[in-house]
Amino acid sequence: ETGVTQSPTHLIKTRGQQVTLRCSSQSGHNTVSWYQQALGQGPQFIFQYYREEENGRGNFPPRFSGLQFPNYSSELNVNALELDDSALYLCASSLFAGRREQYFGPGTRLTVT
Amino acid sequence: EDKVVQSPLSLVVHEGDTVTLNCSYEVTNFRSLLWYKQEKKAPTFLFMLTSSGIEKKSGRLSSILDKKELFSILNITATQTGDSAVYLCAVENNNDMRFGAGTRLTVKP
Repeated sequence: ETGVTQSPTHLIKTRGQQVTLRCSSQSGHNTVSWYQQALGQGPQFIFQYYREEENGRGNFPPRFSGLQFPNYSSELNVNALELDDSALYLCASSLFAGRREQYFGPGTRLTVT
Repeated sequence: EDKVVQSPLSLVVHEGDTVTLNCSYEVTNFRSLLWYKQEKKAPTFLFMLTSSGIEKKSGRLSSILDKKELFSILNITATQTGDSAVYLCAVENNNDMRFGAGTRLTVKP
């Protein structure tokens, strides 16, 4: 039990739609990172939020956006969904800015048809 | 371009065997190398390595980093069926965390 929770568990969307994924960080953690993991691949870093500010971004287009709230929970929004967006989306929280010693949530499986 | 390469991609062993998983990297502004175990969905943290030559150990698992040759190994001794998982290596720099594709380890009884 890592303490990081994500919702929903599974989601099916149609190409062109928009989606919002949610993450609650482990108690006391002020940093949340989001990753996309395609089948058979390692996770790819999307971006990180530290104390409600974006703190680093990977190679993802602007239609991937995020938000962190005062309680350090976070949202990942994806606009204009494409088929290639189908993946497991992982959220990870940590005590410090940066990506070390993160605790991952169980993920949201997004399928775009 | 920054990259992290793990080998082998998959491995099948029997209980009691010892395995060595490899991770090589080319990353600018290296900060740390991390190992994770992913059984179903959530990767779980195993080790973080920042200095060369210092072995990190946890039970039957150990890992070491070589910053000159740009690689790390993860050793698992006396493997058990519960060690079956995908083992991910990740390298952190100033702006990013880059993961390898993972090594899928299957331990047969």
